[in-house]
Amino acid sequence: DMKVTQMPRYLIKRMGENVLLECGQDMSHETMYWYRQDPGLGLQLIYISYDVDSNSEGDIPKGYRVSRKKREHFSLILDSAKTNQTSVYFCASSLWTGGGETLYFGSGTRLTVL
Amino acid sequence: GEQVEQLPSILRVQEGSSASINCSYEDSASNYFPWYKQEPGENPKLIIDIRSNMERKQIQELIVLLDKKAKRFSLHITDTQPGDSAMYFCAASSGANTGKLTFGHGTILRVHP
Repeated sequence: DMKVTQMPRYLIKRMGENVLLECGQDMSHETMYWYRQDPGLGLQLIYISYDVDSNSEGDIPKGYRVSRKKREHFSLILDSAKTNQTSVYFCASSLWTGGGETLYFGSGTRLTVL
Repeated sequence: GEQVEQLPSILRVQEGSSASINCSYEDSASNYFPWYKQEPGENPKLIIDIRSNMERKQIQELIVLLDKKAKRFSLHITDTQPGDSAMYFCAASSGANTGKLTFGHGTILRVHP
C-alpha cells in the first residue's frame, strides 16, 4: 500500500523555537516535496528534492530549509519559527518520469506558532 | 515562475447539475495540468490530468478541457453528487521538466441535495 507518512499531525510551537517536520514514503520515489496550505492561497511549494542531497528551492523557501539523507525520508526545518509560518504543511512524493508525475500527499501537519 | 489563476473560489450547485471550474496559466512551456480533490481534513488526491498533446479527456463524470492558445484549462463535473463536495485544485507544471507543480488557489464545491 503506497503511503506518505507525516509526523506529527499537530504541533504547537512558540515564536523563535526550532521546528522539525518529518516525512517518509515507502514507494522508493525519487522526488519529494514540501508544500504549505493556507486559506485562499492554495498549495505553495516550499522545496523540492530530486533525490538524496539534491534539493531545490520552490516558490516560498525563505525561512525554511530541508534535509534529505535517505531517499525515503525528507525533513522540513524551521529555524526560529515565526507566527506567519502557522499553516498546514503537506509532504508529497512522486516517481520521476521527466515531467507530469502524480503527487502522493501525506496527511499533513498543522503547525501553530504562538 | 508559473502563475495559475483559478475561478471561482466557491461554487454551489444543485445535485444532478454540472459544475465547472476554470484555470489559466502564464507559462506557455507548461505541459501538464492535473486536478486534485481535497476532502475536509484529508490530503489532496489526483482525480484527473491532461497533457499538452490533448485537448479533452474524460474519466466517468469528469471532463477536462485544455486550450493551449488561450492558456486555459477547465474541469467539468457532470451529474454532480453530494460526494463531489470538496476543495478542488488545478495545477500546471512549470515547464522545463523540473517536476515543480504550481497550484491554483482552490475552489470549494458544494453540491446541495
